[in-house]
Amino acid sequence: DTAVSQTPKYLVTQMGNDKSIKCEQNLGHDTMYWYKQDSKKFLKIMFSYNNKELIINETVPNRFSPKSPDKAHLNLHINSLELGDSAVYFCASGAPGQGTGNTIYFGEGSWLTVV
Amino acid sequence: AQKVTQAQTEISVVEKEDVTLDCVYETRDTTYYLFWYKQPPSGELVFLIRRNSFDEQNEISGRYSWNFQKSTSSFNFTITASQVVDSAVYFCALSRQVGNFNKFYFGSGTKLNVKP
Repeated sequence: DTAVSQTPKYLVTQMGNDKSIKCEQNLGHDTMYWYKQDSKKFLKIMFSYNNKELIINETVPNRFSPKSPDKAHLNLHINSLELGDSAVYFCASGAPGQGTGNTIYFGEGSWLTVV
Repeated sequence: AQKVTQAQTEISVVEKEDVTLDCVYETRDTTYYLFWYKQPPSGELVFLIRRNSFDEQNEISGRYSWNFQKSTSSFNFTITASQVVDSAVYFCALSRQVGNFNKFYFGSGTKLNVKP
């Protein structure tokens, strides 16, 4: 069983469309994240949720809206897609809040291409 | 401010060579964790190791070893007798507590090419 799974793995869509990426973790973690990896491989935190509550929003455009229906799921919805949104989006989850020792485990990534 | 620097953008070695990937970090925190992740060509991010700021013991796992030195704020990663399957982008990261969760700071990654 995949610990952190995200779908779809590949997504090609036109500018202006709205799309969603889903993420689920079966590790029992309280904290989940969305990261964006650009073409230069740089990893940037977008959002973090702890037990369904938003705790980090790192200056991400309003077109990006995370939704956490329960602590095992964190979905990412993107409105009005732009060319610059093309990237790999990684979902991750971390062990129950016990300080900085928590390792985060990543999903396999979702490759989004906006044309 | 926190920062993780991986000065080596790309390294190429021939199979069976030893290679060291450098990682230098900046933080004023006394409690923090350091990590290495591997991103093979297939794209997933794989956790390799975690080290806390109070434990400077080096660690060895098979052909992998890690050297943590607080005096130089470095957490270097050595692969002994490299293999083609080691080809990947390797990320060093620092984690610190913010409120009741962890904030991660990733380096820009080092791409390792191991040629047969």
